[in-house]
Amino acid sequence: GDSVTQMEGPVTLSEEAFLTINCTYTATGYPSLFWYVQYPGEGLQLLLKATKADDKGSNKGFEATYRKETTSFHLEKGSVQVSDSAVYFCAPGNTGGFKTIFGAGTRLFVKA
Amino acid sequence: ETGVTQSPTHLIKTRGQQVTLRCSSQSGHNTVSWYQQALGQGPQFIFQYYREEENGRGNFPPRFSGLQFPNYSSELNVNALELDDSALYLCASYRVEAKETQYFGPGTRLLVL
Repeated sequence: GDSVTQMEGPVTLSEEAFLTINCTYTATGYPSLFWYVQYPGEGLQLLLKATKADDKGSNKGFEATYRKETTSFHLEKGSVQVSDSAVYFCAPGNTGGFKTIFGAGTRLFVKA
Repeated sequence: ETGVTQSPTHLIKTRGQQVTLRCSSQSGHNTVSWYQQALGQGPQFIFQYYREEENGRGNFPPRFSGLQFPNYSSELNVNALELDDSALYLCASYRVEAKETQYFGPGTRLLVL
């Protein structure tokens, strides 16, 4: 079946450090790819998405590129802030979220 | 913030009881999905409703059931609660025709004792 493997956390970085969170997936068909963020005590927020190969999703300084050949969608940010501390979920699925498969999440701590 | 709301925010039940969770979808959205998120894990898809019909189901037993109403709001019902049902329950909505991304509510945290 479909699955997602995310980099294990927690990831602890100092402010302004470079962030990479790896994500690889297996899926039938040609899914859209999403990164969601969950702040403490809150629900999920869509961070960015990509719907086809080589698409780059970006938002709030975060970027991820849909790599079909390596079935990967790694999340990057050039300079993290304390406010980026949260749990990040990689998720392949269709646009509407039908049976979206979520990774286990990667917790990010950013120190001032 | 999205326009998706959920109630209640927190709930405590005992094993064997039944619970109903509610979700109001964002205006204009006609599809609602429910997810269970156990502590420290990613959300797992329970089922989806489109125009008041169940449109697909994840790997959850029949004691998890749902409804969608004409105004597209939705309920999740869980019978015969078990300790492992303790989790954050999230709903998400979107509009099929718009082919847009789903929006999540803040969740209901259920504790089963």
